[in-house]
Amino acid sequence: GDSVTQMEGPVTLSEEAFLTINCTYTATGYPSLFWYVQYPGEGLQLLLKATKADDKGSNKGFEATYRKETTSFHLEKGSVQVSDSAVYFCALSDWAGNNRKLIWGLGTSLAVNP
Amino acid sequence: NAGVTQTPKFQVLKTGQSMTLQCAQDMNHEYMSWYRQDPGMGLRLIHYSVGAGITDQGEVPNGYNVSRSTTEDFPLRLLSAAPSQTSVYFCASSRTPTASQPQHFGDGTRLSIL
Repeated sequence: GDSVTQMEGPVTLSEEAFLTINCTYTATGYPSLFWYVQYPGEGLQLLLKATKADDKGSNKGFEATYRKETTSFHLEKGSVQVSDSAVYFCALSDWAGNNRKLIWGLGTSLAVNP
Repeated sequence: NAGVTQTPKFQVLKTGQSMTLQCAQDMNHEYMSWYRQDPGMGLRLIHYSVGAGITDQGEVPNGYNVSRSTTEDFPLRLLSAAPSQTSVYFCASSRTPTASQPQHFGDGTRLSIL
């Protein structure tokens, strides 16, 4: 069945460092891919998405490219800030029969130190 | 614009008690869902609804009931609380069940069962 695997955390970086959080997936169809962010004490918020191969999603300096050949959707940011400290979730959305299915990664915690 | 509103934010129950977690959205979204978030287990789908009057089970439905009498509201009922139901509960909605539609989350209800 479909699955999402993201790198385990926690990830600790210094401010202005480069960030990569790996996400790979398996899917039988043509899924849409998402990154969500969860700040402490809050619900998840959509960070970016891509709906087809080679699409690049971007928001707030974060980017991720839908790579069908490597079944990956890695999250990157060139220069992180303390305010980026949060938990990041990779997710896959596809159809199963006549229902939507949404598969979540386990989340990667990021801590950015000043 | 309120988005998805969950009440209460915190609740402590005794084993065997029942309660209802409230969820309301003001975006006229068709699709609504309930998740629980537990450490190391990511997000797990409890129940979902693709429209008023239509509900279905997710991954972990046992011990929970839902109803969808209006487009706006999607309450989650715990029938007889058990310590295993201690968790953070999130309600989410999306405009349609389409795979490419992102989900909008509430801020969660933190529930402890003693």
